[in-house]
Amino acid sequence: GNSVTQMEGPVTLSEEAFLTINCTYTATGYPSLFWYVQYPGEGLQLLLKATKADDKGSNKGFEATYRKETTSFHLEKGSVQVSDSAVYFCALKGGNAGNMLTFGGGTRLMVKP
Amino acid sequence: DGGITQSPKYLFRKEGQNVTLSCEQNLNHDAMYWYRQDPGQGLRLIYYSQIVNDFQKGDIAEGYSVSREKKESFPLTVTSAQKNPTAFYLCASIDRASGNTIYFGEGSWLTVV
Repeated sequence: GNSVTQMEGPVTLSEEAFLTINCTYTATGYPSLFWYVQYPGEGLQLLLKATKADDKGSNKGFEATYRKETTSFHLEKGSVQVSDSAVYFCALKGGNAGNMLTFGGGTRLMVKP
Repeated sequence: DGGITQSPKYLFRKEGQNVTLSCEQNLNHDAMYWYRQDPGQGLRLIYYSQIVNDFQKGDIAEGYSVSREKKESFPLTVTSAQKNPTAFYLCASIDRASGNTIYFGEGSWLTVV
């Protein structure tokens, strides 16, 4: 079946530091890949997505590129802010699993001023 | 505005009691899902429904029940058979018309006291 593995947190960074959160996946077929963000006390929000190989999703300064050769979808941001502190979830959908969303375990990011 | 509404946001339950979490959407989406979130374990699928009057078990359905009598509504009942119900519960729906974009509710916190 499908699975998503992301780096364990928490990740603690200073403001303006470079962020990378690794995400790798296992799936049959051709899934779509997503990053969701959960701010404290809130539900999940879609951050960005990519639906085919080599696509780059981007939003709010975050980027992730769908790398089929390495089955990865790493999340990056060049300069993090305190307001980026949240839990980030990598997810995939599709392939042979249809509309089912499969999530990674989440990575907590803490940005210090 | 269209969206997914979950209620209540916070709920306390005594051991041995059943409780029902509400999920309503006015987005005209066919598919709806319930996920459970535990610290360090990411999101896990409880139940899903692809169409009215039909639903399927997800990965952790034991101790839960659902109904889908109306397109707009997908309530989740946490029964007394659920041994560890304290968690954050997220409802979601999918818009197939926009390439299967997933929309989440804001979540419900359930605590057993």
